[in-house]
Amino acid sequence: ELKVEQNPLFLSMQEGKNYTIYCNYSTTSDRLYWYRQDPGKSLESLFVLLSNGAVKQEGRLMASLDTKARLSTLHITAAVHDLSATYFCAPRRYNTDKLIFGTGTRLQVFP
Amino acid sequence: SAVISQKPSRDICQRGTSLTIQCQVDSQVTMMFWYRQQPGQSLTLIATANQGSEATYESGFVIDKFPISRPNLTFSTLTVSNMSPEDSSIYLCSVRTGGEKLFFGSGTQLSVL
Repeated sequence: ELKVEQNPLFLSMQEGKNYTIYCNYSTTSDRLYWYRQDPGKSLESLFVLLSNGAVKQEGRLMASLDTKARLSTLHITAAVHDLSATYFCAPRRYNTDKLIFGTGTRLQVFP
Repeated sequence: SAVISQKPSRDICQRGTSLTIQCQVDSQVTMMFWYRQQPGQSLTLIATANQGSEATYESGFVIDKFPISRPNLTFSTLTVSNMSPEDSSIYLCSVRTGGEKLFFGSGTQLSVL
């Protein structure tokens, strides 16, 4: 059974600082997704990581995937207040579109 | 990207009643997925809906409680039956419309009194 651990659960960081969110999963997965959720809103797709060593960047966010270690990271560079949200990682069950979500990381960026 | 509309966006219901949630996609998709997000929690997959066949449910979810219809390739409904306060959640549908991304609907926030 695919299980997902995400840490930290809560992250309070100052504007301009860097930080990394970690996503560990328990069994083989061939694809991993990152989503952002604002309070009271649905999920916004950020990244899809398709293979070992994949790295994708969009603005101040960069995601990577190590399938051998069963680890994905979401790195935040020079955080700004607009990045405040909850971030979820979700590896998919192998060769399906069924996602198993991590616990989420609630990010709060303050001046 | 996909345009996925869910109705209703929110509802407040009495225990023991049922609510049907609709999910409409702007293109044809093979599979649609229904998720639940309990307050302050992550998302959990309820079931997968394929057109022309019965939905397949995840462990802990049963058809009597969450019947699903999938009459065509752009539409699905999820019914939450005989509701209790524990069913208070956000319910979301998800699809992949070509490409690699999986998109989520706007969600239905359900409160059961």
